Amino acid sequence: EPEVTQTPSHQVTQMGQEVILRCVPISNHLYFYWYRQILGQKVEFLVSFYNNEISEKSEIFDDQFSVERPDGSNFTLKIRSTKLEDSAMYFCASRGPGQPLSGANVLTFGAGSRLTVL
Amino acid sequence: AQKITQTQPGMFVQEKEAVTLDCTYDTSDPSYGLFWYKQPSSGEMIFLIYQGSYDQQNATEGRYSLNFQKARKSANLVISASQLGDSAMYFCAMRENTDKLIFGTGTRLQVFP
Repeated sequence: EPEVTQTPSHQVTQMGQEVILRCVPISNHLYFYWYRQILGQKVEFLVSFYNNEISEKSEIFDDQFSVERPDGSNFTLKIRSTKLEDSAMYFCASRGPGQPLSGANVLTFGAGSRLTVL
Repeated sequence: AQKITQTQPGMFVQEKEAVTLDCTYDTSDPSYGLFWYKQPSSGEMIFLIYQGSYDQQNATEGRYSLNFQKARKSANLVISASQLGDSAMYFCAMRENTDKLIFGTGTRLQVFP
């Protein structure tokens, strides 16, 4: 079954350092997302990306965050200068073409990248 | 106001029994979708079941069914014949006419022998 692949599975970094989280979405998917989950809390939307541009972003997704699709397969989330409160599990997700409100158009999530900021 | 409310922080069920995980939602959009995801201790998010707001019948996927009561704005997940491997966090989520999922706070289900 096709899957979304995320690397690294766990990254530890010092406050103020830049971090890049990588994702390989399902190959025929066109819509890409990042969500995050602070430990013990609910999953929160960060950003959606389609046709090489951000289509929607949340209040969390401030100037410290950026996303990029550098080639035909990877989708990255960059945090420019990490803060302690950025410690969380970051999930990449993707879905196929078509309208979002369709039974067939379910988001497939990756296994997550756990970021720990010290 | 919370868009998705899961009032049960934790639930216990005996193996082979059925269990219902509650979810209520709040939206004024006529078009929306409701989802349930499972998150085992390993952390990944696994899609379980989807219900569209215009779907006439309750969604079913194997041992999972969604008890959709539109007037009450509830979308409870029913797991029949629970298995030990069902022990996990379960998240209800909604997508309105945008392209983002809004999640509830989750219910931790523990299945005991």
